[in-house]
Amino acid sequence: AQRVTQPEKLLSVFKGAPVELKCNYSYSGSPELFWYVQYSRQRLQLLLRHISRESIKGFTADLNKGETSFHLKKPFAQEEDSAMYYCALSLAYSGGGADGLTFGKGTHLIIQP
Amino acid sequence: ETGVTQSPTHLIKTRGQQVTLRCSSQSGHNTVSWYQQALGQGPQFIFQYYREEENGRGNFPPRFSGLQFPNYSSELNVNALELDDSALYLCASSTGRGGTEAFFGQGTRLTVV
Repeated sequence: AQRVTQPEKLLSVFKGAPVELKCNYSYSGSPELFWYVQYSRQRLQLLLRHISRESIKGFTADLNKGETSFHLKKPFAQEEDSAMYYCALSLAYSGGGADGLTFGKGTHLIIQP
Repeated sequence: ETGVTQSPTHLIKTRGQQVTLRCSSQSGHNTVSWYQQALGQGPQFIFQYYREEENGRGNFPPRFSGLQFPNYSSELNVNALELDDSALYLCASSTGRGGTEAFFGQGTRLTVV
């Protein structure tokens, strides 16, 4: 079965410092990868997906199939980036059927002033 | 355009009871997925409905069941509640069979005592 691992439960960095949230997955095929974010008192929302190859709020994520990773990066952290970040995987477009999203346990990012 | 809404927001039930949680999908979305999020964990896929039919199921026992109505709203029913069913239940809507860009509701916090 597929699995998503986010090794850091908590990550604290200073404002202006670079941020990297790690995500590794296990699946032999070609899944679709996502980053979801949950700001304080708000609902879970999509931040970005690998097929879009976009930069959202200064964040980027590159799918590395060799290392089965999808790390989220931002060169200069801002205080408003403080939130819970979840990496998620979908098999819907790789013949895996409708198994929904498989989420990691999340990383709590704290940006210190 | 209205977002995903869930009701109720909080609920307390006794072990052995039954509970029904409700979800109104975002306008234009025909797919609804349900997730269980235990404290400190990422959301875990329960099942998905597409055009009123179950379209995929996670590793949950049959006492977790659901419905989707012609207006694409949905219910999650849990019978014979157990203490471990205490969690945040999230509904997400999307478009298409196995659609993956999911829009989440604010969740229903279920406490089983």
